[in-house]
Amino acid sequence: EVQLLESGGGLVQPGGSLRLSCAASGFTFSSYAMSWVRQAPGKGLEWVSSISIGGGNTYYADSLKGRLTISRDDSKNILYLQVNSLRADDTAVYYCAKESTYDIWGQGTMITVSS
Amino acid sequence: QAVVTQEPSLTVSPGGTVTLTCGSSTGAVTSGHYPYWFQQKPGQAPRTLIYDTGNKHSWTPARFSGSLLGGKAALTLSGAQPEDEADYYCLLSYSGARPVFGGGTKLTVL
Repeated sequence: EVQLLESGGGLVQPGGSLRLSCAASGFTFSSYAMSWVRQAPGKGLEWVSSISIGGGNTYYADSLKGRLTISRDDSKNILYLQVNSLRADDTAVYYCAKESTYDIWGQGTMITVSS
Repeated sequence: QAVVTQEPSLTVSPGGTVTLTCGSSTGAVTSGHYPYWFQQKPGQAPRTLIYDTGNKHSWTPARFSGSLLGGKAALTLSGAQPEDEADYYCLLSYSGARPVFGGGTKLTVL
């Protein structure tokens, strides 16, 4: 079955860090660029980060730059997102998605930043 | 960073036709922005309906179509069904590989 499965979200205090994972199956993960998209409660979608095939190029939203690291392990078919210095406005569901046609999305993992 | 604009809300009658638009603060939307359209229902992940302006996925109902219209990307729904009630988001690609989502359109079928 073609799918993406995110994990790693949870409740974290302001200033904390989390590493999100996105496990891919059912397609040739290494052949596609991948993205992270987030959605704050009751709000719209926000593109967060992308990584190229092979991982040589990474891109980040300006609003989050400096606090994120996207990476991939093609041997394990896993996409990662390290988020540091978490703030309350980072509270959101984080989705991973397969580019280039965004035809596959995960169900999302929730990060809640609160003391 | 560019701002992508969509109608906040639209209403369509069952069986009716509605067009959602997607504009860019940088000027006219072109095929070079590779416009995407996503549908999201409450509690669900987004689902891509249209990519690269007008291309459909196998699961995209035939009543949805994408185009460029008056300097904007457009999603037209012809023959609206109750199950089409959802939030719709467009996504535009810009140089630097940092795409931008529109704010979304809440479509009501009533």
